[in-house]
Amino acid sequence: DVKVTQSSRYLVKRTGEKVFLECVQDMDHENMFWYRQDPGLGLRLIYFSYDVKMKEKGDIPEGYSVSREKKERFSLILESASTNQTSMYLCASRTRAGEFYEQYFGPGTRLTVT
Amino acid sequence: AQRVTQPEKLLSVFKGAPVELKCNYSYSGSPELFWYVQYSRQRLQLLLRHISRESIKGFTADLNKGETSFHLKKPFAQEEDSAMYYCALSGRPGGTSYGKLTFGQGTILTVHP
Repeated sequence: DVKVTQSSRYLVKRTGEKVFLECVQDMDHENMFWYRQDPGLGLRLIYFSYDVKMKEKGDIPEGYSVSREKKERFSLILESASTNQTSMYLCASRTRAGEFYEQYFGPGTRLTVT
Repeated sequence: AQRVTQPEKLLSVFKGAPVELKCNYSYSGSPELFWYVQYSRQRLQLLLRHISRESIKGFTADLNKGETSFHLKKPFAQEEDSAMYYCALSGRPGGTSYGKLTFGQGTILTVHP
């Protein structure tokens, strides 16, 4: 059973703080993704990683960076948190094998920036 | 650019009634299309993919390339179908968007008893 875990379910940070969101998957998946989920906007891709030490910008990378030093872990970094980054953050992973695109999602981290 | 549009933010039906969640897409080429579902307090999960031509929990979705649509349908809605539904698109292998999903805005379905 695929398991994607995220370090926190709820997080409250102050404007200007550096914030780390951690994601770990236990299925040896090559690809990992970070999305933010906002009402009326759906899921928007922030960054993704095809493999260790590889990263690519998604649709809304501004204000974020990522780190993938180990295959199982993908970190999202908010360099200087702002109130417009208050959102639900979802991590996902998938295998690169075959043509099955199913992405497996974590439970999400609800981040509030005050 | 690829785009997915779900025109309805909210959809309410009564138990036993048919339900259709609309999804339209734009993509230059032949995409892969999916429906994901998120039940209350659960994580987002795959419901079905068009390439499998499957029926999951009584739901089906047909890809209409002429109308660029991938509507999700169920003939008799159940209360446990109440959830957030997202339509998503990915490019085929070999394309630049292979492996990445573009999601629609989501539709909240409420099935009343």
